[in-house]
Amino acid sequence: GAGVSQSPSNKVTEKGKDVELRCDPISGHTALYWYRQSLGQGLEFLIYFQGNSAPDKSGLPSDRFSAERTGESVSTLTIQRTQQEDSAVYLCASSLATGGTDTQYFGPGTRLTVL
Amino acid sequence: GQQVMQIPQYQHVQEGEDFTTYCNSSTTLSNIQWYKQRPGGHPVFLIQLVKSGEVKKQKRLTFQFGEAKKNSSLHITATQTTDVGTYFCAGGGGFQKLVFGTGTRLLVSP
Repeated sequence: GAGVSQSPSNKVTEKGKDVELRCDPISGHTALYWYRQSLGQGLEFLIYFQGNSAPDKSGLPSDRFSAERTGESVSTLTIQRTQQEDSAVYLCASSLATGGTDTQYFGPGTRLTVL
Repeated sequence: GQQVMQIPQYQHVQEGEDFTTYCNSSTTLSNIQWYKQRPGGHPVFLIQLVKSGEVKKQKRLTFQFGEAKKNSSLHITATQTTDVGTYFCAGGGGFQKLVFGTGTRLLVSP
């Protein structure tokens, strides 16, 4: 079946503009994560959605960042008033979260460049 | 909160040499997962370990989960250029947030 998809694959924006990144998880996956990865760096956790529970927003770096998820489907990550330091690859991952083997499936990412 | 550290951050080996990365958690883990990210790609699941002291092998890769379930290791025997990438461990999961380690970047020279 289809994997995790993200759009756009690349986004170039000007400093101060708002951007919206989209993630389509695998159907039936209750858990969804957003990560940020700068060039050559590790995975920086941003936010975690699990079913109908309140999202874990502890990784969001500032109040310019927000994310929403509609039920157990699409999620959008919004960055307001973008800054140059926001430039990175934004990765989305989803998993079944059944309590057993809980493989995370990653999307291809959105490469954000803020000029 | 839970922290998962990996060492080394980076290692450069000659093809044919062995490689090991170590993963240490500040808390006891219910399970440990390992992922590989090729340059320019996204992380891909390799394996999950659940039991204390568990050892699993995938061809040249050997994964271990510590007795106390707070640490893990990945050992690659006789590295090949195709092993290049960043290896991440991750702890937790299920109904709990999966926490990724800091990653070890492996470079293999022919």
